[in-house]
Amino acid sequence: KQEVTQIPAALSVPEGENLVLNCSFTDSAIYNLQWFRQDPGKGLTSLLLIQSSQREQTSGRLNASLDKSSGRSTLYIAASQPGDSATYLCAVNYNNDMRFGAGTRLTVKP
Amino acid sequence: EADIYQTPRYLVIGTGKKITLECSQTMGHDKMYWYQQDPGMELHLIHYSYGVNSTEKGDLSSESTVSRIRTEHFPLTLESARPSHTSQYLCASSEAFRNTIYFGEGSWLTVV
Repeated sequence: KQEVTQIPAALSVPEGENLVLNCSFTDSAIYNLQWFRQDPGKGLTSLLLIQSSQREQTSGRLNASLDKSSGRSTLYIAASQPGDSATYLCAVNYNNDMRFGAGTRLTVKP
Repeated sequence: EADIYQTPRYLVIGTGKKITLECSQTMGHDKMYWYQQDPGMELHLIHYSYGVNSTEKGDLSSESTVSRIRTEHFPLTLESARPSHTSQYLCASSEAFRNTIYFGEGSWLTVV
């Protein structure tokens, strides 16, 4: 069964800290992995897409890494800000089937 | 900014009523999806489409139906709503299954 797990479920940090969110998946035969941000009551906003042949992708203060063989991805957020507070979800794409984790709820305190 | 729109955003209806949730995208994407998400839980795929006249069921059993008569439009219909249908419904689209997927803002449905 293709499962996606995100740890921790919730995280609270003071403003300015660097932090890492984790995503693990049981089936390593992936096409790509995508990180999303979801604000309360809203849809998902795509942050980064990593193809299976890539090791990492960067966008501004965000850096996502992918280790397919170990079934893991991390999302690194540098110099966190209160505006980064949201739920972060990873989604693993298995051809026609995309599996989502339950997300990590991040709170950045001023 | 993704151009995918859902209406209504919020809806409260009575048990047994028929409801259609609308989803439109202006990006010309062939692939469209409907997901169901309960608060704090993961998304579950309930329907998807490869293109016009194509509809498939996802891995979460759903009593809803979908249609894809036009590329840009992928409505979801509940013929007889029940309280167990109370949830957030998210519509999404992508150029291909392996490309970035874009989501609408979601439709919050409450059945009383």
